[in-house]
Amino acid sequence: DAGVTQSPTHLIKTRGQQVTLRCSPKSGHDTVSWYQQALGQGPQFIFQYYEEEERQRGNFPDRFSGHQFPNYSSELNVNALLLGDSALYLCASSSSTGELFFGEGSRLTVL
Amino acid sequence: DAKTTQPPSMDCAEGRAANLPCNHSTISGNEYVYWYRQIHSQGPQYIIHGLKNNETNEMASLIITEDRKSSTLILPHATLRDTAVYYCIVIRDSGYSTLTFGKGTMLLVSP
Repeated sequence: DAGVTQSPTHLIKTRGQQVTLRCSPKSGHDTVSWYQQALGQGPQFIFQYYEEEERQRGNFPDRFSGHQFPNYSSELNVNALLLGDSALYLCASSSSTGELFFGEGSRLTVL
Repeated sequence: DAKTTQPPSMDCAEGRAANLPCNHSTISGNEYVYWYRQIHSQGPQYIIHGLKNNETNEMASLIITEDRKSSTLILPHATLRDTAVYYCIVIRDSGYSTLTFGKGTMLLVSP
């Protein structure tokens, strides 16, 4: 049983560009959450998707947007990248009765 | 969700028990204590959670005080692979809950 898978694992962008990160949830999970983890900090909640709708959102600007597909997979999009967006982006999946399972993350470097 | 307090770092000798404390004095009656850990450059990994009673699984034991204001995660026989940042998080139990990570405790297991 594959766990949570994320792609790409690493990527480099320049300021002002846009990036799309992808996540496939663990089998049987219907909810996907995204977290941003800056170096030396704990993960910070960005938003959560359920039934293809954004259900909850953390304190992140509108440059951060997402999408969930009918097969429960999800994308995180970040527009107009800033140097401060450099971080490890983590996807976590869950169901109504279980704990969160995290992927290994996508490490984004903005130059 | 209640705030938690953890020591920033701890050391443990390989083969010995690691006891990681967490204070959550403002915890509410319907809030659970969850423990996650994050090995360097990997996504957080669920360890264990509990409400009132002590809990044990294949990874660890969780001891919650009677007043529920603090808890201790116990790794009975720490190995070098247990070196990680350990996060104690208090949430209302639901697969749809979002996690608020603090700085956690950096556990260093030495030979």
